[in-house]
Amino acid sequence: QKEVEQNSGPLSVPEGAIASLNCTYSDRGSQSFFWYRQYSGKSPELIMSIYSNGDKEDGRFTAQLNKASQYVSLLIRDSQPSDSATYLCAVTNFGNEKLTFGTGTRLTIIP
Amino acid sequence: NAGVMQNPRHLVRRRGQEARLRCSPMKGHSHVYWYRQLPEEGLKFMVYLQKENIIDESGMPKERFSAEFPKEGPSILRIQQVVRGDSAAYFCASSRMAPGETQYFGPGTRLLVL
Repeated sequence: QKEVEQNSGPLSVPEGAIASLNCTYSDRGSQSFFWYRQYSGKSPELIMSIYSNGDKEDGRFTAQLNKASQYVSLLIRDSQPSDSATYLCAVTNFGNEKLTFGTGTRLTIIP
Repeated sequence: NAGVMQNPRHLVRRRGQEARLRCSPMKGHSHVYWYRQLPEEGLKFMVYLQKENIIDESGMPKERFSAEFPKEGPSILRIQQVVRGDSAAYFCASSRMAPGETQYFGPGTRLLVL
């Protein structure tokens, strides 16, 4: 079982719709959760961080964390073509600062 | 407010040569991490350093790879006797001191081994 799992996609969403990205993790000791966006040939760029159960909203982005079910999700509202990228879910554990990444979900927004 | 800086951005080496990748963390950041992204694969942790200390090198290959973060100057990831399988994007990230702090990534160094 992979430590952090994501659907590789590609996920295609019409422009203006909501894109929903999901991630599950295996280690119950995971403490911090991050979503990064990576355009092709570029470096990862932080979108959201979330540390406690519930929702966290930032503009068009909402991260959701459910530690009991060991999943974290990212919702992108009013999707734009510029949102087309690979989205990486990453977690860290307390006392272990390395990021463990999923393989990423490739998202394509269709105009 | 400069972000994480890495150089060179692109590096070409022939098999058997040495590659040196440099990383300067963001201002105020004292933790440095190196990650590798092989073609069509995810990001994998390599090593975590603070000034003059290697904190976690559990992701480093046992041979040919080394990393340092001296008291003065950038962090350096060194790959000796490169092989074609070392061709990848190497990313450096930095964070502030607190546990669980966000890591910010540099632009990466694309290493190509001929």
